[in-house]
Amino acid sequence: EAQVTQNPRYLITVTGKKLTVTCSQNMNHEYMSWYRQDPGLGLRQIYYSMNVEVTDKGDVPEGYKVSRKEKRNFPLILESPSPNQTSLYFCASSNSPGWGVRGYTFGSGTRLTVV
Amino acid sequence: EDQVTQSPEALRLQEGESSSLNCSYTVSGLRGLFWYRQDPGKGPEFLFTLYSAGEEKEKERLKATLTKKESFLHITAPKPEDSATYLCAVLPPFSSGSARQLTFGSGTQLTVLP
Repeated sequence: EAQVTQNPRYLITVTGKKLTVTCSQNMNHEYMSWYRQDPGLGLRQIYYSMNVEVTDKGDVPEGYKVSRKEKRNFPLILESPSPNQTSLYFCASSNSPGWGVRGYTFGSGTRLTVV
Repeated sequence: EDQVTQSPEALRLQEGESSSLNCSYTVSGLRGLFWYRQDPGKGPEFLFTLYSAGEEKEKERLKATLTKKESFLHITAPKPEDSATYLCAVLPPFSSGSARQLTFGSGTQLTVLP
């Protein structure tokens, strides 16, 4: 089954404790992206990657890091999480550059709480 | 800056009561407009892609239409299982500084009462 898999689904952590949210896709997509979703603000892009070793900032990159060492994986790293990073996070992929007819395929989300 | 505005923010309908959701955008020459459905706590699920003004797409009780400045998602005789948040997103032209980003609206939360 074609899918984007994120782990963990739920995470509660303390301020300053480094964490990684994993994302993997099995569709051989070149383009991958991370979004955060907050009430009233919609989906905002954090980082995206056009291909292996090619990443760029989205609208809200502060406090996040990413890497793309393999085509299928695109982990999101929070080196020193803070409470304002409490959010619902989504990983997405696409067969850019045409975006295909579906735009993105989304993962199921990771609900992160930083206390 | 590209803007995508969805209205209303929330909509409550009785089962069978048809209505429309609106997505207006300021992007000129967009390459595509996407509609997604999102259930609580889940990732958005693709519904439609529209590429040019005048285009229409249908799926069951949903029909999406596109003009040069907005898109509508028409829901005909909705059922409770249609309750969800509906998101639209636009893909700007390659010439845009945000050409690599899908820009999402904030969504319309639809509740269909039995």
